[in-house]
Amino acid sequence: AQKITQTQPGMFVQEKEAVTLDCTYDTSDPSYGLFWYKQPSSGEMIFLIYQGSYDQQNATEGRYSLNFQKARKSANLVISASQLGDSAMYFCAMREVLTGANSKLTFGKGITLSVRP
Amino acid sequence: DGGITQSPKYLFRKEGQNVTLSCEQNLNHDAMYWYRQDPGQGLRLIYYSQIVNDFQKGDIAEGYSVSREKKESFPLTVTSAQKNPTAFYLCASSGGGRPNEQFFGPGTRLTVL
Repeated sequence: AQKITQTQPGMFVQEKEAVTLDCTYDTSDPSYGLFWYKQPSSGEMIFLIYQGSYDQQNATEGRYSLNFQKARKSANLVISASQLGDSAMYFCAMREVLTGANSKLTFGKGITLSVRP
Repeated sequence: DGGITQSPKYLFRKEGQNVTLSCEQNLNHDAMYWYRQDPGQGLRLIYYSQIVNDFQKGDIAEGYSVSREKKESFPLTVTSAQKNPTAFYLCASSGGGRPNEQFFGPGTRLTVL
């Protein structure tokens, strides 16, 4: 079974600074995908970034980048130039193939990020 | 604009009553999912459907039921058999040109009194 681990306590960062949110994973599948989602207090889940296990380059999306270290099974999210609107819960997730084209996401427990002005 | 709608945003029910949560998408996605989130926790998969008239149990399906009669709609019924139904429920869909990504609705917060 796949497992996602997010163990950091609540994180704090000063506005305009960079912050790294940790995520480690465990899987026996050679092909998998890793995701980061942001959940503000409103509750909606906002997709941030995706990394495929065979991707050669680390994924980047604007201020978000994924530090993918396959041998260490880690997929840390880096947010550059933090903004007050970045304050939210952040979830790491892994895509697990079920049968045929069926797949599901396994989520970690999340990390709370607070950006200080 | 394309997206996923869930209604209502807040729902209150008495213990022992069945309740149905709505999920509609106009993204033309084949796959749809229902997740449950408890306070301070990640999301857990309840049911998923890859195609119309077919659905599969997820990790915590007991006490829930679904139907997929139309591609756009995937309603979730929380039955009286669900022992602890108070939670935040999120619907998602995937498909099209970005099959790896699941798009989420705004969620329904269910409180059973």
